Amino acid sequence: GDKVKQSPSALSLQEGTNSALRCNFSIAATTVQWFLQNPRGSLINLFYLVPGTKENGRLKSTFNSKESYSTLHIRDAQLEDSGTYFCAAEAAGNTRKLIFGLGTTLQVQP
Amino acid sequence: EAAVTQSPRNKVAVTGGKVTLSCNQTNNHNNMYWYRQDTGHGLRLIHYSYGAGSTEKGDIPDGYKASRPSQENFSLILELATPSQTSVYFCASGDRGSAETLYFGSGTRLTVL
Repeated sequence: GDKVKQSPSALSLQEGTNSALRCNFSIAATTVQWFLQNPRGSLINLFYLVPGTKENGRLKSTFNSKESYSTLHIRDAQLEDSGTYFCAAEAAGNTRKLIFGLGTTLQVQP
Repeated sequence: EAAVTQSPRNKVAVTGGKVTLSCNQTNNHNNMYWYRQDTGHGLRLIHYSYGAGSTEKGDIPDGYKASRPSQENFSLILELATPSQTSVYFCASGDRGSAETLYFGSGTRLTVL
């Protein structure tokens, strides 16, 4: 968790609102992935990012390698968005190994 | 959709016993990984493989062995299980050719008594 720091550690949202999760890196990250672990424990890949921005439905993620951070924006939060969000970074020169953050646990309330 | 299947889903073992966790992927991915997930530590890499016949040490390999007999199968072996190895274990696969998006199995909950 030291090399990849996620914030906040926990978050509660009302349905229909927006929020942003953040990852800060103390390593030189070349790529970033975001995962959602749902309440059943399954890990689902949300985004694979090189520096830049990707969007998928109500989710949008940005990776800024120069400033060593990534964000995940959730728009119009729904109950099924609840779970734990993990970011993971691949370090420069350390290919094919991901370093995970400790996660942000999101609860969406009706 | 990538398919990664782990077995068993749950396992109870005794201290000193041998445990084998199995993982199968049907997507012809070159790379496979074993992680464990613990509260306060997130996901940590135990072993990984670049293809059949290859295994590499991850960040926490002590007490674990791995075996990749084929492209599809990757096993994690605990020769002498200890209570500190009680955890949830995840297998994942990925293919560099497709930008290495990782696909995870559903996890194995291991309890060592």
